[in-house]
Amino acid sequence: QQQVKQSPQSLIVQKGGISIINCAYENTAFDYFPWYQQFPGKGPALLIAIRPDVSEKKEGRFTISFNKSAKQFSLHIMDSQPGDSATYFCAASMLTGGGNKLTFGTGTQLKVEL
Amino acid sequence: DAGITQSPRHKVTETGTPVTLRCHQTENHRYMYWYRQDPGHGLRLIHYSYGVKDTDKGEVSDGYSVSRSKTEDFLLTLESATSSQTSVYFCAIRDSKSSSYNEQFFGPGTRLTVL
Repeated sequence: QQQVKQSPQSLIVQKGGISIINCAYENTAFDYFPWYQQFPGKGPALLIAIRPDVSEKKEGRFTISFNKSAKQFSLHIMDSQPGDSATYFCAASMLTGGGNKLTFGTGTQLKVEL
Repeated sequence: DAGITQSPRHKVTETGTPVTLRCHQTENHRYMYWYRQDPGHGLRLIHYSYGVKDTDKGEVSDGYSVSRSKTEDFLLTLESATSSQTSVYFCAIRDSKSSSYNEQFFGPGTRLTVL
């Protein structure tokens, strides 16, 4: 059972455009939602994370939007650059109890074209 | 890389042989995790540890065992490797010293091929 559903599977964006990746979760006990960025041959790197007590968090060109009632969250990459080309994973976990085990989405391959 | 190393980085083995992967951390983190990454599945938790000799199962623990005899090392063992265990294995630590979010940071991964 896929508890975190991620879309799209792949995405092509022009340089300077906005990349949007969406995730939906089922377990209402999740209270921590990170996004990871992964380049080929490397481990996932934490990009940005949000708690459900806020609806938006911005760090540089990266923004998470969170909709608790819809059980959805999304990553927006503004002014997308070729260096942003990577695979992005959303995830969810419970911070208290359960050891903070992360449940991941299936990933989105982003390609930013010149 | 949060002071995480994994060894070996690449391994090819045959079906039925035992395999042990090692995760080593240098920053005294209490929580450590083993995930596997497969196309179309993202990353899935195999086992995790919340202290020396304290471990618990994850989502895909069948066919795997773990051990943690000291804080810095978390070992993942495939008792009898099967082709379905061909994957990229990532170790992660939970950084309880950071902000309130207790972020997880990942190692560089081990690519395992079972023939």
